[in-house]
Amino acid sequence: KAGVTQTPRYLIKTRGQQVTLSCSPISGHRSVSWYQQTPGQGLQFLFEYFSETQRNKGNFPGRFSGRQFSNSRSEMNVSTLELGDSALYLCASSRRGGPVQPQHFGDGTRLSIL
Amino acid sequence: AQRVTQPEKLLSVFKGAPVELKCNYSYSGSPELFWYVQYSRQRLQLLLRHISRESIKGFTADLNKGETSFHLKKPFAQEEDSAMYYCALSGGGGSNYKLTFGKGTLLTVNP
Repeated sequence: KAGVTQTPRYLIKTRGQQVTLSCSPISGHRSVSWYQQTPGQGLQFLFEYFSETQRNKGNFPGRFSGRQFSNSRSEMNVSTLELGDSALYLCASSRRGGPVQPQHFGDGTRLSIL
Repeated sequence: AQRVTQPEKLLSVFKGAPVELKCNYSYSGSPELFWYVQYSRQRLQLLLRHISRESIKGFTADLNKGETSFHLKKPFAQEEDSAMYYCALSGGGGSNYKLTFGKGTLLTVNP
């Protein structure tokens, strides 16, 4: 069974630009979550989608947005990039989401802002 | 609000020694707690969850609601246990769908 796939693996952008990251969950998984990982803040929850609906959102500005498609694939978008957005962005999937569902993580997209 | 604290950023032990990675949490309801592990050049993966009461790779963790702790223990550490360990919490109500992670403990098991 293929794991969670994130594309691209690496991205370099400049301040003010926008970026779109993609995540393909494990087949049969309908919940997709996004996390930002930085050395200073660690892993922080961005948002979670299930059946194309955002069910929960972390404490990030509105520049961070996401969506989920009918095939459960998800994208996240960051607009007006800032230097502080440089991070590893991780996607995780689970069958239904929820408090006891184990999350399966991808390798992440490393975003660098110049 | 939910919060997870892992007080040790680094932990170094010798092979065969017992190891305990500490995790304390703050949550007003009934939490679900997890340990995730990331080995070198591998993905973050689930190690164990308290609801399963299981032992994985010799590791166990007991939820102590009185002390709000979920420490990870192994009686005899192995070199292959060297990794980054994250404690995570999932809460109830409106927070059902997110994991709050601690900042992690890097465990090094020396030969």
